[in-house]
Amino acid sequence: EVQLVESGEGLVQPGSSMKLSCVASGFTFSNYGMNWIRQAPKKGLEWIALIYYDSSSKYYADSVKGRFTISRDNSKNTLYLEMNSLRSEDTAMYYCANVYYGFDYWGQGVMVTVSS
Amino acid sequence: DIVMTQAPLSVSVTPGESASISCRSSKSLLHSNGITYVYWYLQKPGKSPQLLIYRMSNLASGVPDRFSGSGSETDFTLKISRVEAEDVGIYYCGQLLENPWTFGGGTKLELK
Repeated sequence: EVQLVESGEGLVQPGSSMKLSCVASGFTFSNYGMNWIRQAPKKGLEWIALIYYDSSSKYYADSVKGRFTISRDNSKNTLYLEMNSLRSEDTAMYYCANVYYGFDYWGQGVMVTVSS
Repeated sequence: DIVMTQAPLSVSVTPGESASISCRSSKSLLHSNGITYVYWYLQKPGKSPQLLIYRMSNLASGVPDRFSGSGSETDFTLKISRVEAEDVGIYYCGQLLENPWTFGGGTKLELK
């Protein structure tokens, strides 16, 4: 069974940093591109970052470019999102998702709240 | 960026009846390889989104064949035949043709 389990949920102050993790199981993690997708409270879905299966390429939404960094460790089946200079508008549920046919599998999500 | 526009914002359906949701893209999603890179997702209440349809008309694994996708280069439709209680939630279309990948604003399906 495919599982993606995010961690790192929390409340932080504006301007601070935070790191999310996503542990994958049930599929060959190192074969798949991986993404972070977020959803602000009561809002729609926003794709924010992609990393290729071998980390050779990374892409970001303009809203997070220069502040967020996506990375992965294939030896640990783990995806990361390092978030710096956090803003109130970064408050959202953050999902990791693989990409093959589409965003085939999603984690349960972790809530990040940026507030003073 | 490619803008995905969904209609209606919400739809109320009698169980057993059909429902259709529309999605329009600001640019053709038809690639030169012949694949149309539009996708449909369902987010059930309190849950993560799940893939329903990929590449416009292909049913994702485990998705009932009551769901179907169709369309052209910029106009797409998700049809749900014989709506059931488990179909309640928010439906999103999305595109994977061009980065940044984008989603529509969502259509909420409720039961009458």
